[in-house]
Amino acid sequence: GAGVSQSPSNKVTEKGKDVELRCDPISGHTALYWYRQRLGQGLEFLIYFQGNSAPDKSGLPSDRFSAERTGESVSTLTIQRTQQEDSAVYLCASSFSGEGNQPQHFGDGTRLSIL
Amino acid sequence: GDSVTQMEGPVTLSEEAFLTINCTYTATGYPSLFWYVQYPGEGLQLLLKATKADDKGSNKGFEATYRKETTSFHLEKGSVQVSDSAVYFCALRGDRGSTLGRLYFGRGTQLTVWP
Repeated sequence: GAGVSQSPSNKVTEKGKDVELRCDPISGHTALYWYRQRLGQGLEFLIYFQGNSAPDKSGLPSDRFSAERTGESVSTLTIQRTQQEDSAVYLCASSFSGEGNQPQHFGDGTRLSIL
Repeated sequence: GDSVTQMEGPVTLSEEAFLTINCTYTATGYPSLFWYVQYPGEGLQLLLKATKADDKGSNKGFEATYRKETTSFHLEKGSVQVSDSAVYFCALRGDRGSTLGRLYFGRGTQLTVWP
């Protein structure tokens, strides 16, 4: 079946602009996650949605970052007033449930470049 | 808090050599452990997992055993191939509270296999 789908695959924008990144999780997966991967570094957790529970936003680096999810489907990650340090690959993942033993399946990511 | 420490690369091997990539973790409770692989130009893929102590995860000739006594989950392969060249990430997912959602990743180990 279809995997996690992210769009756009690449985004180049000027400093100070707002950007919106989209994630379509695997159908039937109740849990959705956003991570950031800066060049040469590991993955940094941003936010986690599980069903109708309040999201875990503890990884968001500043109030310029926000994310929404509609039910158990599409999620959008919004970065306002982008800065050069926001340049990274933004990865979305989903899992069948929020149980700890469930693997997370990743999309191909959105490569964001801030000029 | 929960964390993963992974041996730094890059690792360069000849084809058919034995591979070990060390991974140790710090966590409360009983986390699940994962190895993810990122091939050049591709997204992050689950390679194998183990969800309880003494479990052995295996896939594509790779193996890793969940050792609670040494808090380790080392990745091994008896005979590497050129096609194994990729970045390998060790990760854990907690089983309780705020650690339940996110994956904690190591920084990744770049493996290059020469023919």
